[in-house]
Amino acid sequence: QVQLQESGPGLVRPSQTLSLTCTVSGDSISSGGYFWSWIRQHPGKGLEWIGYIYHSGSTNYNPSLRSRVTISVDTSKNQFSLKLTSATAADTAVYYCARATITARPRFDHWGQGTLVTVSS
Amino acid sequence: DIQMTQSPSSLSASVGDRVTITCRASQSISDYLNWYQQKPGKAPKLLIYGASTLQSGVPSRFSGSGSGTDFTLTISSLQPEDIAIYYCQQSYSAPPWTFGQGTKVEIK
Repeated sequence: QVQLQESGPGLVRPSQTLSLTCTVSGDSISSGGYFWSWIRQHPGKGLEWIGYIYHSGSTNYNPSLRSRVTISVDTSKNQFSLKLTSATAADTAVYYCARATITARPRFDHWGQGTLVTVSS
Repeated sequence: DIQMTQSPSSLSASVGDRVTITCRASQSISDYLNWYQQKPGKAPKLLIYGASTLQSGVPSRFSGSGSGTDFTLTISSLQPEDIAIYYCQQSYSAPPWTFGQGTKVEIK
């Protein structure tokens, strides 16, 4: 059974870089056929797709965040990571990592439990 | 960006009722439409993908239909455990993949 687990600081100072890692178990990131994704949810709000990475390292980002976002992959550790620079209070959210199966119709079929990141001084 | 609009924003229904949620895309997305269920404090769970394909393990009272710009999620007989927020999501065009604003389902 595929499992994803987010990890990283729960508190980030304004203007600093928000960094999170997603550890995948039960599947290999190197196996292909999936986009490894980050999604966030502001408190009490809806879902916002941040971006994804393929095992080859190719990425696709939400244009609204593209200038500040980097998603990277470490296949040796079966992990992928999110970096969001110049964090502000507007980046306070629950951050989810998710696997998107891309055969047939792309869909997020496995999610991490989510981690709350608060941007505050 | 492709905008996804759900209606209603919330609904209240009785156990056993048939519940319908609609999702409209701002442009045609063929059948690249997914539905998710999110319970309080939990991650979203995939219910339906490709507009009408039931994800493995999801109860058969959930069904999806539609193509192009108009889509529907139906719960044939509402159960207490179906209390949640439901989101549609288009995977036709990235970037970005986009979600609807959600529909909150409550028990009357």
